[in-house]
Amino acid sequence: GESVGLHLPTLSVQEGDNSIINCAYSNSASDYFIWYKQESGKGPQFIIDIRSNMDKRQGQRVTVLLNKTVKHLSLQIAATQPGDSAVYFCAVATGANNLFFGTGTRLTVIP
Amino acid sequence: NAGVMQNPRHLVRRRGQEARLRCSPMKGHSHVYWYRQLPEEGLKFMVYLQKENIIDESGMPKERFSAEFPKEGPSILRIQQVVRGDSAAYFCASSPSTGPVYGYTFGSGTRLTVV
Repeated sequence: GESVGLHLPTLSVQEGDNSIINCAYSNSASDYFIWYKQESGKGPQFIIDIRSNMDKRQGQRVTVLLNKTVKHLSLQIAATQPGDSAVYFCAVATGANNLFFGTGTRLTVIP
Repeated sequence: NAGVMQNPRHLVRRRGQEARLRCSPMKGHSHVYWYRQLPEEGLKFMVYLQKENIIDESGMPKERFSAEFPKEGPSILRIQQVVRGDSAAYFCASSPSTGPVYGYTFGSGTRLTVV
């Protein structure tokens, strides 16, 4: 099976600062990784994904880094805004198999 | 262009009653996944269905839980004889093909409270 953990359950950052959320996974055969954002009372919302043949991918204000050697990925949010306050999950898949979710990190942006 | 629709949004059941949760996938999506989320935890996979077929139910408890995705109509997650431990948020996701790489779209969930 897959074990997915997150290093910190909560993270507080000042508005305008950069945020880094980390995630560790256990299955070295995992080949697809997704970051989701979940706001209160809503379902997970796709942010960015990365496949195992890459080590970095950038989106709008977000960057995902993948280190397969140590089975670690991170989500970086640039210039964090109050609207970024939410719980962030990493999710990991192996082939066409199902997604395994981490526990989540609650990001709080301080105005 | 509706997304994944789940209803009801909130459901309260007494212990021993049945709970029925509905999920209508996005238009064009024939793959449905059910996840359960306990407070302050991540989503746990329960079951994966295609039209009229259960593909993977490895995450679903063997007793009291069942799921279906009929040829017509929404997918149904059914919980019989609910207990307090069933209280959770249940999310449905759909995709156009097999595997997360094709993109999962999640609904807003059904929050089940067992009293």
